[in-house]
Amino acid sequence: NAGVTQTPKFQVLKTGQSMTLQCAQDMNHNSMYWYRQDPGMGLRLIYYSASEGTTDKGEVPNGYNVSRLNKREFSLRLESAAPSQTSVYFCASSRDGASYEQYFGPGTRLTVT
Amino acid sequence: KNQVEQSPQSLIILEGKNCTLQCNYTVSPFSNLRWYKQDTGRGPVSLTIMTFSENTKSNGRYTATLDADTKQSSLHITASQLSDSASYICVVSEVTGGFKTIFGAGTRLFVKA
Repeated sequence: NAGVTQTPKFQVLKTGQSMTLQCAQDMNHNSMYWYRQDPGMGLRLIYYSASEGTTDKGEVPNGYNVSRLNKREFSLRLESAAPSQTSVYFCASSRDGASYEQYFGPGTRLTVT
Repeated sequence: KNQVEQSPQSLIILEGKNCTLQCNYTVSPFSNLRWYKQDTGRGPVSLTIMTFSENTKSNGRYTATLDADTKQSSLHITASQLSDSASYICVVSEVTGGFKTIFGAGTRLFVKA
C-alpha cells in the first residue's frame, strides 16, 4: 500500500498563477485533510472532507478551494497564488474524523514569488 | 483560545542518552492526545495516541505520559539513536464533532554521535 500520495513534491509559482495540488489515499479512509506547515508554527488545517461528497473550511481557508473527487482523492486549488501562500502543504487521511489516527502524505513544498 | 505549547523548541543530546519532551495544552474537553515524529522533508508519522483516561503509552523506545488534571504530556525517548533526530509534534483533538485538531509547533531533536 502506498498510503497517502501527493503531487507535485515541489512547485514554484509566480504571484497570480493558479495550480492544483493532488492527493490520493489507498486505505479506504472516509476523512481527508489539507494542512499547511510554516516555520515555527504547528500545522494548520485549511480544509477537510469528513466523507465523500462533503467539504468544510478549517482554520485558514482563505485563498484556497478543494474538491473531494471520490473517496480516494482530495485536491487543493490555489486560484491566484500569493507570496503568503509559500508553505509546505500536507494532505492527510483518517478512518473517520480527526479523533482517529491521521496518516500524512510526504508534502508539497510551494514557493510563490 | 485552545492551544498546545511544546518545550523545549530544540534539543541536542548525545547518542545513547535519554531525553524528555514536554507538551502543555489548554484544549478542554479533549478526545485524544497524540505524538508524531516528523523527519526532515517528510510528513508526520504517529508514535502514540492516548485518550483522556490513559496515563501512559509506549511504542518501543518512546513512552508518552499524560496528566489530564494538569493538562501536561511528555514524550520520553530512551537510549537515543541518530535516527531519532527529527521534530516531535504534540497534537490534541477537541471533542467538537471530531474534526478540530490543534498541533503544537514541535520540538526539534538533534542526536549527535
